[in-house]
Amino acid sequence: AQSVTQPDIHITVSEGASLELRCNYSYGATPYLFWYVQSPGQGLQLLLKYFSGDTLVQGIKGFEAEFKRSQSSFNLRKPSVHWSDAAEYFCAVGSRGSARQLTFGSGTQLTVLP
Amino acid sequence: GAVVSQHPSWVICKSGTSVKIECRSLDFQATTMFWYRQFPKQSLMLMATSNEGSKATYEQGVEKDKFLINHASLTLSTLTVTSAHPEDSSFYICSARGQGRDGYTFGSGTRLTVV
Repeated sequence: AQSVTQPDIHITVSEGASLELRCNYSYGATPYLFWYVQSPGQGLQLLLKYFSGDTLVQGIKGFEAEFKRSQSSFNLRKPSVHWSDAAEYFCAVGSRGSARQLTFGSGTQLTVLP
Repeated sequence: GAVVSQHPSWVICKSGTSVKIECRSLDFQATTMFWYRQFPKQSLMLMATSNEGSKATYEQGVEKDKFLINHASLTLSTLTVTSAHPEDSSFYICSARGQGRDGYTFGSGTRLTVV
């Protein structure tokens, strides 16, 4: 069964500082990997996804993530955080089977200090 | 881009009544719909997967008679919470995937409060 671990429940960074959110997955083959962001009371917005090819993926809002097969990781990074980036971030792994269900990590709450 | 409209965004109902939540794909045909439940400050838990014209597949522990899912068309799926109780209060989110599409588009969620 597929699973996702986000080790950091809560991260606080200062505005303008760099950010890295960790994500580790468990899946028997090459997975589909996703990062989503959720503001309070809202649905999920896709930041970026990895299916195949280049392991460094660029997303929206200046985010990027790197797929490292050897470490089973898909960490999300941003060089300079903005106050509007404060939100909950979810890493997800999607199966390549017919159902292609998504399994989400527990989420990381990002707080941005002025 | 792909858009999924979910309504209502919030609903308050009395215990024992039923509530229907709609999820519509506006600009693509959603061959597969997923329904998730999210408790405060927790992750999304998949409740069920439905394919258009087929019965939904429920995850272990999800009561199919309480959470009725209908996916009668390629653009509409509904989740009906029957005989709702306060413990059913939660944030429900739908997600849709179209044929040949690898991405998942999420609705904006429905906050259900049962009083």
